[in-house]
Amino acid sequence: DIQMTQSPSSLSASVGDKVTITCQASQDISTCLNWYQQKPGKAPNLLIYAASNVQPGVPSRFSGGGSGTDFTFTISSLQPEDLATYYCQQCEDLPYTFGQGTKLEIK
Amino acid sequence: EVQLVESGGGLVQPGGSLRLSCAASGFTFSSYEMNWVRQAPVKGLEWLSYISSSGSTIYYAEFAKGRFTISRDNAKNALYLQMSGLRAEDTAVYYCAKVGPATFGSWGQGTLVTVSS
Repeated sequence: DIQMTQSPSSLSASVGDKVTITCQASQDISTCLNWYQQKPGKAPNLLIYAASNVQPGVPSRFSGGGSGTDFTFTISSLQPEDLATYYCQQCEDLPYTFGQGTKLEIK
Repeated sequence: EVQLVESGGGLVQPGGSLRLSCAASGFTFSSYEMNWVRQAPVKGLEWLSYISSSGSTIYYAEFAKGRFTISRDNAKNALYLQMSGLRAEDTAVYYCAKVGPATFGSWGQGTLVTVSS
């Protein structure tokens, strides 16, 4: 199975800060990497697909990048509504696997 | 607007069975692949099963093989997950998810399955 290592597991930042989350795959997954946001008590929501494509309707402060084994997810200017847990997920091979999640708190 | 509504969750005893349903609307259900994903309490996300648009291709996570069965009825715009031999570790919120543009492009609200005596 492809292991996805996401870091940090949690982070606290202030409104307006730039926030970056990383995700590392245990083998080359090209750009088959998606990012999801899960707000407390809610279902996950797709933000970024194929490593860097922003899902329509998602604010432009969210972006993604990377290829191969190393990926990043960035919020350019943190907003209070970004309080959530963020997950990466590889789609290169079955079983589809997720990172362990990054819990983002607002200072 | 894509809508996915899961149902069928509840409390079940260890060893018991349960059938989850996912009612789809707002898109041409028969054209899209679907998945089930679960999330144990205070845990991360775990892919469970995939089914192609026609239902002819199915994949399972290792833990689901032999106990869980995914199926769909395109005439009823419905996705199903038949679960048997349930264990305490199967306690989770179960989500159905539509493929496109990502593996899990749209999600339902989830249905909670609790396995306990």
